[in-house]
Amino acid sequence: DTAVSQTPKYLVTQMGNDKSIKCEQNLGHDTMYWYKQDSKKFLKIMFSYNNKELIINETVPNRFSPKSPDKAHLNLHINSLELGDSAVYFCASSQGTVVYGYTFGSGTRLTVV
Amino acid sequence: QQQVKQSPQSLIVQKGGISIINCAYENTAFDYFPWYQQFPGKGPALLIAIRPDVSEKKEGRFTISFNKSAKQFSLHIMDSQPGDSATYFCAASMNNRRNEKLTFGTGTRLTIIP
Repeated sequence: DTAVSQTPKYLVTQMGNDKSIKCEQNLGHDTMYWYKQDSKKFLKIMFSYNNKELIINETVPNRFSPKSPDKAHLNLHINSLELGDSAVYFCASSQGTVVYGYTFGSGTRLTVV
Repeated sequence: QQQVKQSPQSLIVQKGGISIINCAYENTAFDYFPWYQQFPGKGPALLIAIRPDVSEKKEGRFTISFNKSAKQFSLHIMDSQPGDSATYFCAASMNNRRNEKLTFGTGTRLTIIP
């Protein structure tokens, strides 16, 4: 059973398009995250949600909008895609605190052409 | 500003050798230091973690050494195996805060050669 699943795994789209990435976790965790991993493998947090409430919103362009319909789901919608948005986006979840570890999904590789 | 600095960027170690990856942090409020392992095409996975009240933690072939005064910590992989070939990330966080988050180092690509 996949603990944190993301769809799609690959996404190729043209500049200016709008796209969404979906994430679901079946671990019963109460906190979910979006991380961006750039071409140099650097991982940087974008957002975190705790029980559907936005907790962390790093300096991410307004074109990125997370949505959490329930605590098992955290989706990421991106408007007006730019070349610089090309990266691997990881969803993760944890139970309350980082000491229990984050469980990451397998990532969505977004390529903007 | 990179709050957690990691080195080396890449590392090649012979099978059976010791792999050592180093990290340094700036924020003295950090109080939880995990290491994550990432295989190609997969998300990072928690490997081992330490709190600053101990200087060393060992789990199997993996050991974290922690130097609070120097604000440095390192991962040692003993008897390195080809299956250990992966990218390793150190990380740090300020625990027990509502807006806690993991701040990752820049990663080390480890290759174990026969």
